[in-house]
Amino acid sequence: QQQVKQSPQSLIVQKGGISIINCAYENTAFDYFPWYQQFPGKGPALLIAIRPDVSEKKEGRFTISFNKSAKQFSLHIMDSQPGDSATYFCAARRAGAGSYQLTFGKGTKLSVIP
Amino acid sequence: SAVISQKPSRDICQRGTSLTIQCQVDSQVTMMFWYRQQPGQSLTLIATANQGSEATYESGFVIDKFPISRPNLTFSTLTVSNMSPEDSSIYLCSVERGVGTGELFFGEGSRLTVL
Repeated sequence: QQQVKQSPQSLIVQKGGISIINCAYENTAFDYFPWYQQFPGKGPALLIAIRPDVSEKKEGRFTISFNKSAKQFSLHIMDSQPGDSATYFCAARRAGAGSYQLTFGKGTKLSVIP
Repeated sequence: SAVISQKPSRDICQRGTSLTIQCQVDSQVTMMFWYRQQPGQSLTLIATANQGSEATYESGFVIDKFPISRPNLTFSTLTVSNMSPEDSSIYLCSVERGVGTGELFFGEGSRLTVL
């Protein structure tokens, strides 16, 4: 059972535009929601993360919006650049689980075109 | 941050054979993790490897298929045994930035193709 549903599967955005990737979860016991960025041939790297006690977290051009009641969270990339072209994974961790036991979404392949 | 080196980076294997993937970390870590990334799929935790003890496997993964060694605090191996085409995946070694942080560093992965 897919516990974290990510959409869209792929996304094409013009340079300078806003990229939005959405994730939804079912398990209300999740307490930590990171986003990972993966470039081709590389391992995923932590981009930004949020906990459910806040509704938004911003780091540079990257913002996570979190809606606890809807069990949804999203990644917004402002002023998208060609260098942002990568696959993005949302993830969630269950409270009380090993801190490394993340449930990942299936990923979104982002292409930013000049 | 941790630097994680994996070998091989990619390999093409024949059905029924086994392949061992090596993972070297540039610092001592208590736990090392092995993930599988199937084409178009999410990352799935295979097992956790602690130095000096048996690896802990997640549901759906068994030691006979994915034996793991952890001889010291900087090194681990994952063997994919008796491979079938369904085992074609990227296998990723990972460590945690700090105990309990949930922030993972990943190696670049080992891409296996089974014919």
